[in-house]
Amino acid sequence: AQTVTQSQPEMSVQEAETVTLSCTYDTSESDYYLFWYKQPPSRQMILVIRQEAYKQQNATENRFSVNFQKAAKSFSLKISDSQLGDAAMYFCASANYGGSQGNLIFGKGTKLSVKP
Amino acid sequence: KAGVTQTPRYLIKTRGQQVTLSCSPISGHRSVSWYQQTPGQGLQFLFEYFSETQRNKGNFPGRFSGRQFSNSRSEMNVSTLELGDSALYLCASSPTVKETQYFGPGTRLLVL
Repeated sequence: AQTVTQSQPEMSVQEAETVTLSCTYDTSESDYYLFWYKQPPSRQMILVIRQEAYKQQNATENRFSVNFQKAAKSFSLKISDSQLGDAAMYFCASANYGGSQGNLIFGKGTKLSVKP
Repeated sequence: KAGVTQTPRYLIKTRGQQVTLSCSPISGHRSVSWYQQTPGQGLQFLFEYFSETQRNKGNFPGRFSGRQFSNSRSEMNVSTLELGDSALYLCASSPTVKETQYFGPGTRLLVL
């Protein structure tokens, strides 16, 4: 079975500093994607970044980047120059696209606080 | 392009009642998935629809059902509501299956 684990229930970062959120996953599939979603207090789930497993290059979106370690099944999110608006729950998710299912499997989430 | 919309945004029901939630995907998106979010169980997959056909279903009892219309809009229904059905129900759409999913704002259901 596919699983996603986020070992940090809560994290805190000073404004303008850098923070890294951890995620590990387990899958037997070869064709899968990994995602980070952000859920602010409004509860709207917002896509932050995605990584195709077949790509060796780590994905980057402005201040957000990932460290994808395929062999270790690790997928961490780095947020640079943290802003107050980054405060939210962050969910790591995976989706197997090789088989018939393509639904997202989510971790339990990491609550990020940003201190001014 | 407008995002995923869900109606209603908030709902209060009593045990034993049934409820229907609606989701309109992003224009041009033909795949719709539903997820349940609770503090205890986190985010769990309910079902996925594509071209009016249910492709996949999560591990939920038969009280949870859904459908998709020819315009890709989707509804999910929960019959004989239980207290444990209180949750945020999230709908997500994607252009086709096996593509990045974009979420709506959710429907908060409270069962009393």
